[in-house]
Amino acid sequence: EPEVTQTPSHQVTQMGQEVILRCVPISNHLYFYWYRQILGQKVEFLVSFYNNEISEKSEIFDDQFSVERPDGSNFTLKIRSTKLEDSAMYFCASSRAPTGELFFGEGSRLTVL
Amino acid sequence: QKEVEQNSGPLSVPEGAIASLNCTYSDRGSQSFFWYRQYSGKSPELIMFIYSNGDKEDGRFTAQLNKASQYVSLLIRDSQPSDSATYLCAVNPMDSNYQLIWGAGTKLIIKP
Repeated sequence: EPEVTQTPSHQVTQMGQEVILRCVPISNHLYFYWYRQILGQKVEFLVSFYNNEISEKSEIFDDQFSVERPDGSNFTLKIRSTKLEDSAMYFCASSRAPTGELFFGEGSRLTVL
Repeated sequence: QKEVEQNSGPLSVPEGAIASLNCTYSDRGSQSFFWYRQYSGKSPELIMFIYSNGDKEDGRFTAQLNKASQYVSLLIRDSQPSDSATYLCAVNPMDSNYQLIWGAGTKLIIKP
């Protein structure tokens, strides 16, 4: 069964460093998303991406964040100058259509020290 | 501020019984409603979605939607220990084509 894959599974970084989280969405999906979940809190929408551009972003997704689809398979989230409060699980998801029928990857746990 | 509210639980249900999970949402114009299951330390997994008022059944799961009351529920029949997880309600608000607003989840425990 096709799945969304994410790397790394866990990354530890120092405050102020840049982090890139990588995702390979399901191959025939057209819509890609990043969500995050701070430990013990709600899942939060960050950004959606379609046709090689951001289709929607939340207030959380400020200038510190960027997304890119550098080739035909990868979808990345870059966090510049990480802060302590960026520590969270970051989930990549994809879907065939712009609905909530999302398929999630296993997540990348980011720890900022 | 759009909100999705769930009772955090834990909800404890005997094996074989019906588990009933509830969710309310604040955006009256919301169109799409989803139930995801999340095991501890894992990612959310889609269980059910519902777009129209009424009931929708899929195997042991039934989603119920009442837009007038801004209420959506999930029933799990013949509960199994493997159903023990946190159940997340997610809603697509009216002013978004892509975003889901999530509840904090209800932790369900199925007792053997």
